[in-house]
Amino acid sequence: GESVGLHLPTLSVQEGDNSIINCAYSNSASDYFIWYKQESGKGPQFIIDIRSNMDKRQGQRVTVLLNKTVKHLSLQIAATQPGDSAVYFCADPHSTLTFGKGTMLLVSP
Amino acid sequence: DVKVTQSSRYLVKRTGEKVFLECVQDMDHENMFWYRQDPGLGLRLIYFSYDVKMKEKGDIPEGYSVSREKKERFSLILESASTNQTSMYLCASSFSSGKRSPLHFGNGTRLTVT
Repeated sequence: GESVGLHLPTLSVQEGDNSIINCAYSNSASDYFIWYKQESGKGPQFIIDIRSNMDKRQGQRVTVLLNKTVKHLSLQIAATQPGDSAVYFCADPHSTLTFGKGTMLLVSP
Repeated sequence: DVKVTQSSRYLVKRTGEKVFLECVQDMDHENMFWYRQDPGLGLRLIYFSYDVKMKEKGDIPEGYSVSREKKERFSLILESASTNQTSMYLCASSFSSGKRSPLHFGNGTRLTVT
């Protein structure tokens, strides 16, 4: 069936580095994607979204890139900070309301 | 900011008990959702609702039911709690019909069934 999945369960980076979290999707008709961040003990929080008429969208220290040709999107976090440590989910609400397992970002000083 | 409030942060219940998990949102959202989150399994959708008195099954509805009598409130019911329902339960809401709208989550209820 259709699915959205992250590539790596865990990503470890040094403070100050840039982080890239990748996600693949399978539904060619998908036209809207969302990234969420879940900190320990909290529910997922919306970070940024992107519609398929865009290739790139920037927020504060975060950028999402969408490659519709290979059905891939990525979340880039610039100058990663300890407060960025969390589990990150990509979501494709067109295909499913179910989330994947997420990628845990670990930031070490 | 949208606020989604789950009535309990932690609950401990016995096998066979009827359990009610309550969720309230304050932004007049049409859509509400219940998920459970387990290590290694991600978030799985139990039930959702697009309007008052409407409900739809998600991916894992077995052993659960829901109630939506008012727009702002969505209750998850475990008719007879079992140990395999020990989990983190997350409620969410979203604005507008259709699916192109972010979900806003509560902070979860960690349920332990003994």
